[in-house]
Order: sequence, then C-alpha cells, then structure tokens
Amino acid sequence: EVQLLESGGGLVQPGGSLRLSCAASGFTFSSNAMSWVRQAPGKGLEWVSSITNIGSTSDNTYYADSVKGRFTISRDNSKNTLYLQMNSLRAEDTAVYYCAKAREGTNGLLEYWRQGTLVTVSS
Amino acid sequence: EIVLTQSPATLSLSPGERATLSCRASQSARSYLAWYQQKPGQAPRLLIYDTSNRATGIPARFSGSGSGTDFTLTISSLEPEDFAVYYCQQRSNWPLTFGGGTRVEIK
Repeated sequence: EVQLLESGGGLVQPGGSLRLSCAASGFTFSSNAMSWVRQAPGKGLEWVSSITNIGSTSDNTYYADSVKGRFTISRDNSKNTLYLQMNSLRAEDTAVYYCAKAREGTNGLLEYWRQGTLVTVSS
Repeated sequence: EIVLTQSPATLSLSPGERATLSCRASQSARSYLAWYQQKPGQAPRLLIYDTSNRATGIPARFSGSGSGTDFTLTISSLEPEDFAVYYCQQRSNWPLTFGGGTRVEIK
C-alpha cells in the first residue's frame, strides 16, 4: 500500500525558510516522479514543483515560475523521502502543501496524494 | 504554459441528475488530461486520467471525453457523495497546470 507521510509545515515569518518532508513507502520511490502541489486558503490547486528521472539517468527538476529561485525540490532515495526547501517565503506562499506520487512511468499523473501540511507565512 | 479554463464555476444539481463539466485548454493538451475530485478538508483524488480512463476504484458513473483543447467530465447520475469540487489538470507540457475548478453543489 502506498503511503506518504508529510512533515515540516508551520508558521514562519516573511523572508524565512522552511523545509517540508514527505516519507514514502509501499512503492519503488527512486523510480517514481514526485511532486508538490499547494492550495491557498479557499483557492484552487497550484502545481509547485516536480522531480523525475523518467527517460533519464539522473533526476530532473521543474518549478512553477512563482517559486523558481526560492524553492528547491530534492529526494533522498536511501531514506525514501522527498523534500521541498522553501526560502525567502512570502505571505502568498501560505497554503496547504500536498506531496503527490506520479503514476509509474509518467511525470505528472498524480495518482496518490498525502493529506497535506499547512504552511503559514505571517509576522 | 497551457491555461485550463473550467466551466461552469458552480453547478447546482439534485441527486440523480446528470452533471457535465467542461475544461478548455489554451493549446492542445493532446490526451494528457486528468480530472480530480476534492472534498472539504481532504486531498484531491484522481478520478480520470488521459482523458477517458477511470482510476482504480472509481465508479462507472464517472466518464471523461474530449481531445486536444476541449474536455468533458460527465457524472451520469449524481450520488450524495459526488457533491465536491472538480479540477482538470494537464501533463502534456511543463509546467503542469490545473483548471480553476468546478463546484458541484446540491440544488
């Protein structure tokens, strides 16, 4: 059974940093694309970032323009854990952040989602 | 970037009625269009992928159709548990993008 366990959300001041983690089990973590998607309070879904090695011997990373240069996605295959390092946080980054697993062999078909962790950026 | 526009924003229907949700892409998404259902306080759930394929465990009353730039999610007969928000999403190009959502509410 696929399981994703998130941690790291919380309250942070504008300009601060936070690192989200998503521990995975129940599938071959290293060979699956993973993504972060966020949802601001009362708003729709916004893709944030993905990491994938589909069709490649190494990981490729992709970012939404709104977070490029501030957020970094990474993975530790020895720990089966996905990360999102968030720097220079802004009020508009306040959202529930979801970790999502892509269907094997695809980059963006998000077939499993974790419950989400709330990040609040406020002074 | 492929922009996805969903309509209507809100659909007010009664249980047993048919729901038809639309998703229009600003450029071709080929067949790489998915639909997700989200209920309050829950994570999104994959319903339909690659235009018309039901995800595991999704009831047959959910169906998807379309191609290129125009896609439709149909719920043939609404059950009480189907009242939720529905999002379309494309994976044809980076960045991945979502539509703004359609809320299906009880009339």
